[in-house]
Amino acid sequence: DIQLTQSPSFLSASVGDRVTIPCRASQGISSYLAWYQQKPGRAPKLLIYAASTLQSGVPSRFSGGGSGTEFTLTISSLQPEDFATYYCQQLNSYPFTFGPGTKVDIK
Amino acid sequence: EVQLLESGGGLVQSGGSLRLSCAASGFTFSSYGMSWVRQAPGKGLEGVSLISGSGGSTYYADSVKGRFTISRDNSKNTLYLQMNGLRAEDTAVYFCAKRLPTSNGLDVWGQGTTVTVSS
Repeated sequence: DIQLTQSPSFLSASVGDRVTIPCRASQGISSYLAWYQQKPGRAPKLLIYAASTLQSGVPSRFSGGGSGTEFTLTISSLQPEDFATYYCQQLNSYPFTFGPGTKVDIK
Repeated sequence: EVQLLESGGGLVQSGGSLRLSCAASGFTFSSYGMSWVRQAPGKGLEGVSLISGSGGSTYYADSVKGRFTISRDNSKNTLYLQMNGLRAEDTAVYFCAKRLPTSNGLDVWGQGTTVTVSS
């Protein structure tokens, strides 16, 4: 199975900061990676698919990059509503594993 | 509006069974693959099962293989997850989700239904 690593597990940042969240795959997955945002008690929300394609309705301050085994989610200017947990998911091969998540909280 | 609404969760004893349902609306249900994803209390996301739009292809995580069965009734726009032989480690919020046409992500999620397995 393909394993996804997200480090750090927790990230403290301030409103207005540029934040980059990494995700590493244990083997190459081309661009078959998605990013989700989840707030407490809520369902996940798709932000990015195919590594860098912004889902409709998602603010342009979110962007994704990378291919192969190294990927990033970047928030260009952190807003109060962005404090949440972010998960990556690989869709290259079964099982479509999720990373363990990175929680972004207020510094 | 595209919407998914899960139901069927509850409290069950270890070894028991539950059937989850996910009612879809606002899109052509039969055209899209669907997934069940679960989240144990305080934990991350785990993909449980997938099914193609026609229902002809299915996939299960090793943790549920042989115990859970995914199915769909396209005439009723409803996705199901039959869960047998439930264990304490199956305790989680279960989400149904719609797959993108390219299968590159899950773009619509339900609100989740809670399954609690008591030992």
